[in-house]
Order: sequence, then structure tokens, then C-alpha cells
Amino acid sequence: EIVLTQSPGTLSLSPGERATLSCRAGQSVSSSYLAWYQQKPGQAPRLLIYGASSRATGIPDRFSGSGSGTDFTLTISRLEPEDFAVYYCQQYGSSPWTFGQGTKVEIK
Amino acid sequence: EVQLVESGGGLVKPGGSLRLSCAASGFRFNRYSMNWVRQAPGKGLEWVSSINNSGSFIYYADSVKGRFTISRDNAENSLYLQMNSLRAEDTAVYYCARGYGSGSYFYDYWGQGTLVTVSS
Repeated sequence: EIVLTQSPGTLSLSPGERATLSCRAGQSVSSSYLAWYQQKPGQAPRLLIYGASSRATGIPDRFSGSGSGTDFTLTISRLEPEDFAVYYCQQYGSSPWTFGQGTKVEIK
Repeated sequence: EVQLVESGGGLVKPGGSLRLSCAASGFRFNRYSMNWVRQAPGKGLEWVSSINNSGSFIYYADSVKGRFTISRDNAENSLYLQMNSLRAEDTAVYYCARGYGSGSYFYDYWGQGTLVTVSS
């Protein structure tokens, strides 16, 4: 099983600032099969990024993903008020598909 | 518009059974893998089970293997999760999620979830 570790656990930032979220895998994620999701309280998750760097349909370009192998990053270039949420990474390269524990981006 | 609507959740005693359903609409159901993902109260996401578009490939998390059964009815555009021998640690919101393609296991659309509570 590929364990995904996200850091930091909580990120306290102000609107307009840049957010950098990390997802580290315990072993290499094949073919960069890494996705990122956003979840707001009481809502289902929403797909942001797949294939490590491809934005899902309708996702603003302030969201970008990068990385390969074991180290992946989600960057939000300028935080908007609606971006404060919990973010999860997920690997889908090998079963069991696994999620990271999440990073909460909160308003400072 | 893609819609996924879960039903069947509720309160059940430990050792009991429950069957979740997910009604899909707005897309060609038989072209996509389908999945169940759960989230315990206040916790993160946990993948539970997946089935490819034809039903020929099925996967389970170790935590539910032997107790849960995923299935689909492509004629009815429906996904199911039969849950037996339920435990307190199965308490969670269960989401139905569409895979990005026939055999892809990340999720581009999610339902709103159905709450399963296992308690005596």
C-alpha cells in the first residue's frame, strides 16, 4: 500500500497569498497517477488536479499541480475567499488507491 | 448534467447489514468505472471499493474485503454496495463517485453522500 503524507496539517494564510501544499508518497507513484481534491464543510470533495498536473474541467488556473515519483505539490497562486477548505491528495497508480490525511487551508 | 444520488444509509446495529444504492444520470453509465469512498465523522477520505465499467474488475480495501460487495446494473444506471457484518468503525458518510473513464480510479463526480451509523 502506498502511504501518502500531506504537509503541513494546517496552513494559515490571508486572501491573496500563495499556498503551497505537499504530498509525499512512501513509494513511487506510477505514471504520476496523483490527484488533488478540495472539500468544504458539509460538501462532497471536488476534483482539482489529475495526472499530477492536469486541471480538471472548470478549475481556475490559480490552481496548479506539479511533481513526480514520490513528491507532489499543489499550488494556489493567489487565495480567494472560496479556496479556504481541506485539500486531499490521492494516488491511483496501484491498488489499494489511497488518500493523504488532508491539509486544511484556513484564514489567518 | 451528471448526477449521483446515494440512498440506503441509516442506523444499524453491529453485525447487521445494509445495502447502499447510487442512482446515476446525465452520462453514459456503462462507459465509466464507479467507486465508493467513505469518510468517518471528522476524518479524512478512505477508498472502499471500485468496479470497472463492465463489472469484470472489482477491487476492495482490506478493511472491507469479505464483508462488502460492490455491484452495478448498467441497464438501470445504478451502483450498489452490500455491507454485511457491520462494525462501529464502518460508521461514515459513504460517497458514490464516478471514475474518470472505464478503468480509471480517480473521481471526477461525487454524490452528496449517505450516512451509515453502526451503533447498538
